[in-house]
Amino acid sequence: SQQGEEDPQALSIQEGENATMNCSYKTSINNLQWYRQNSGRGLVHLILIRSNEREKHSGRLRVTLDTSKKSSSLLITASRAADTASYFCATGYGNKLVFGAGTILRVKS
Amino acid sequence: SQTIHQWPATLVQPVGSPLSLECTVEGTSNPNLYWYRQAAGRGLQLLFYSVGIGQISSEVPQNLSASRPQDRQFILSSKKLLLSDSGFYLCAWDKGQSNQPQHFGDGTRLSIL
Repeated sequence: SQQGEEDPQALSIQEGENATMNCSYKTSINNLQWYRQNSGRGLVHLILIRSNEREKHSGRLRVTLDTSKKSSSLLITASRAADTASYFCATGYGNKLVFGAGTILRVKS
Repeated sequence: SQTIHQWPATLVQPVGSPLSLECTVEGTSNPNLYWYRQAAGRGLQLLFYSVGIGQISSEVPQNLSASRPQDRQFILSSKKLLLSDSGFYLCAWDKGQSNQPQHFGDGTRLSIL
């Protein structure tokens, strides 16, 4: 069964606005990762946050992790039309990742 | 730099036919290798993973099998395809160490008729 649950399922915003996606999970993890998928393509890794970390930044991306609430959020600031894609959280256990169903982000120009 | 190749990009097969999808990784040694299936509008389901040559772990019972004949080659197979095998198949690799990202190929879109 899928561990991560993303919220919302779909998000539509205007270019320049911020986009926030949330992920909840059920059991203890080693790390939590965020991936992006453009339509019909493979997944691209965005950020990995370890279970002992609370926040990480990469360019316009900010990820937070709250292990007490078993939740994470991905913030994309100053969104661009090119950010239109599906975004997945994945929880890491040993060698394996368990993916959620994803959030579809549409950025309108 | 490391690259991952997956082929074919699309495949249309009749029910009951065999299947062989291949994935190769370049620029790294002894990677962990993974096969996932993605149903339309859904997340990824892990099918198989391998930590070394000839070592295959199956995550779900199914009509498929996997093999790793060489360090950087991972093959997904079936002897007789079912309609339910349709989907988007993705291969991925990581460095086999803790807290590492996975790197994905571009996938194979498999349609069973």
